[in-house]
Amino acid sequence: DAMVIQNPRYQVTQFGKPVTLSCSQTLNHNVMYWYQQKSSQAPKLLFHYYDKDFNNEADTPDNFQSRRPNTSFCFLDIRSPGLGDAAMYLCATSRGGDLIEQYFGPGTRLTVT
Amino acid sequence: AQSVTQLGSHVSVSEGALVLLRCNYSSSVPPYLFWYVQYPNQGLQLLLKYTSAATLVKGINGFEAEFKKSETSFHLTKPSAHMSDAAEYFCAVSYNNDMRFGAGTRLTVKP
Repeated sequence: DAMVIQNPRYQVTQFGKPVTLSCSQTLNHNVMYWYQQKSSQAPKLLFHYYDKDFNNEADTPDNFQSRRPNTSFCFLDIRSPGLGDAAMYLCATSRGGDLIEQYFGPGTRLTVT
Repeated sequence: AQSVTQLGSHVSVSEGALVLLRCNYSSSVPPYLFWYVQYPNQGLQLLLKYTSAATLVKGINGFEAEFKKSETSFHLTKPSAHMSDAAEYFCAVSYNNDMRFGAGTRLTVKP
């Protein structure tokens, strides 16, 4: 089945230690998104790629970076995680153009110790 | 700017009762509207979407929503709640690949 895959599902990192979260998709969608979701809150868009074009949200901290080496993969890098970065990180994709519904992966829950 | 407001952060219904989750939108252009469901420690699953076709939209799991332009609303309903419907529900509006979510409504279903 076509899907959005996130690895790992649970990630523990230490304060200040760089961490990378991974997302892959078999949908061949043009757009890939990263969201941060804290407990009992709505997902908050960090950034998205439309093909190779990177679009950063204005209030996304510089501590968060992203890479999309090819259509299928997208990575979220947190350069120096703080305790406030503990959250669920959701990857989503959409075809783009007029087909705008987003398909979400299962998420990676990040714990910062 | 596009935005949605979900009225009621928590809704509790009895099994078999009507489910009504409220969503109002604000949009300067005809909106694309969505309802997503999220189970604990899972991603979001699309329930249904409105993209300017029929105003009554049917989705998965027996849910439906009606787009009412005069009321700027897109409320989600289900005639008879099931225990498995207990989850967090998010209304969202999208424009130009930019999706904005409401704060969410947690649905509890009592036996």
